[in-house]
Amino acid sequence: GAGVSQSPRYKVAKRGQDVALRCDPISGHVSLFWYQQALGQGPEFLTYFQNEAQLDKSGLPSDRFFAERPEGSVSTLKIQRTQQEDSAVYLCASSPKGLAGHNEQFFGPGTRLTVL
Amino acid sequence: AQSVTQLDSHVSVSEGTPVLLRCNYSSSYSPSLFWYVQHPNKGLQLLLKYTSAATLVKGINGFEAEFKKSETSFHLTKPSAHMSDAAEYFCATRGNQFYFGTGTSLTVIP
Repeated sequence: GAGVSQSPRYKVAKRGQDVALRCDPISGHVSLFWYQQALGQGPEFLTYFQNEAQLDKSGLPSDRFFAERPEGSVSTLKIQRTQQEDSAVYLCASSPKGLAGHNEQFFGPGTRLTVL
Repeated sequence: AQSVTQLDSHVSVSEGTPVLLRCNYSSSYSPSLFWYVQHPNKGLQLLLKYTSAATLVKGINGFEAEFKKSETSFHLTKPSAHMSDAAEYFCATRGNQFYFGTGTSLTVIP
């Protein structure tokens, strides 16, 4: 069965460019999470969707970061006017249910963003 | 507030010897705790999770972890390291979101 997929796997952007990162969660999964993983660090929470509703965006570092999941399936993380400090691996994870309970998250391979 | 602390940023063991990766947690109530493994250029893979059903949790690839409330610990162990175990390991807990530790890099020496 298909797991979580992300595209592109690698992205190089010049400082100031806008980028869009895509996440295809496991079919039918209710919850979708985005994380930012800097080099040598653990994943840091960015935002959470339950179906199409963005219930938590407290981890987004600035208003240059925007995420959407309009039909409750595929999600896009957009970063406007990229800066060098945005360079990181962006991980997407999905979970079959909502936040209640002990559901695990299934992670995609990540998109490695390098801003020059 | 919930958090986890991984006590070692790097652990090195010889092949065939035991592995111990340490994780302490902070939680105001009974936590959900997880161990994930990350191989280079791969996504995080769940090794095991604690959900209060049993304090000793067995996971995949021979790994297990014991929840010790008195020590607020959830250390990951394996009796005998294999070369394929070399990877980055993350302890995590969840509340309204997942909170990950900073990771422990495991090196296995042949």
